[in-house]
Amino acid sequence: DAKTTQPPSMDCAEGRAANLPCNHSTISGNEYVYWYRQIHSQGPQYIIHGLKNNETNEMASLIITEDRKSSTLILPHATLRDTAVYYCIVRGFQYSGSARQLTFGSGTQLTVLP
Amino acid sequence: NAGVTQTPKFQVLKTGQSMTLQCAQDMNHNSMYWYRQDPGMGLRLIYYSASEGTTDKGEVPNGYNVSRLNKREFSLRLESAAPSQTSVYFCASSLGQGIEKLFFGSGTQLSVL
Repeated sequence: DAKTTQPPSMDCAEGRAANLPCNHSTISGNEYVYWYRQIHSQGPQYIIHGLKNNETNEMASLIITEDRKSSTLILPHATLRDTAVYYCIVRGFQYSGSARQLTFGSGTQLTVLP
Repeated sequence: NAGVTQTPKFQVLKTGQSMTLQCAQDMNHNSMYWYRQDPGMGLRLIYYSASEGTTDKGEVPNGYNVSRLNKREFSLRLESAAPSQTSVYFCASSLGQGIEKLFFGSGTQLSVL
């Protein structure tokens, strides 16, 4: 799986959009970009994933550059409850019965300020 | 629908004691995982089970054993606990094919004195 690089920390004002960048310059054509977050003391939570196109769900939007070497997770209206560590992970398609692992790096600590 | 349930939530052991962490999921997932997280660090994979009847070592398997009891349950055993195993342990499960969405339990805080 490709290596990812994220800033260690970011701040965002409550109500504003939080834009979390991730660099994955060695991503290969069949690898997906996943985002998870971990609120303090809790288990990680899946947010969103994408391959090439931009994706949006009820939690966030994922913007992937055309060359796929970087992406941005967007929380459109950040709240205090969005304060968490956000992990960007690149991973290939998992075939049934295959042995694949999801590797979490150190992530970005997002602090939403009142 | 409980998702992934871990027991116990907290445990204190003395060095050399043994214990088993239990994990169960009710989502009919094929794959299950055990991670540990030390203070200020990311998650590290201990063991995983891609499907019922199979288990494989992750990044940090030493000092641990696992059992995939059935499709629902995946236990982690510490045979002789050491202070270095003081950590928060998370169990997770996923469908095990295609797009990987892992669902995590709430964690077990383990202290080894």
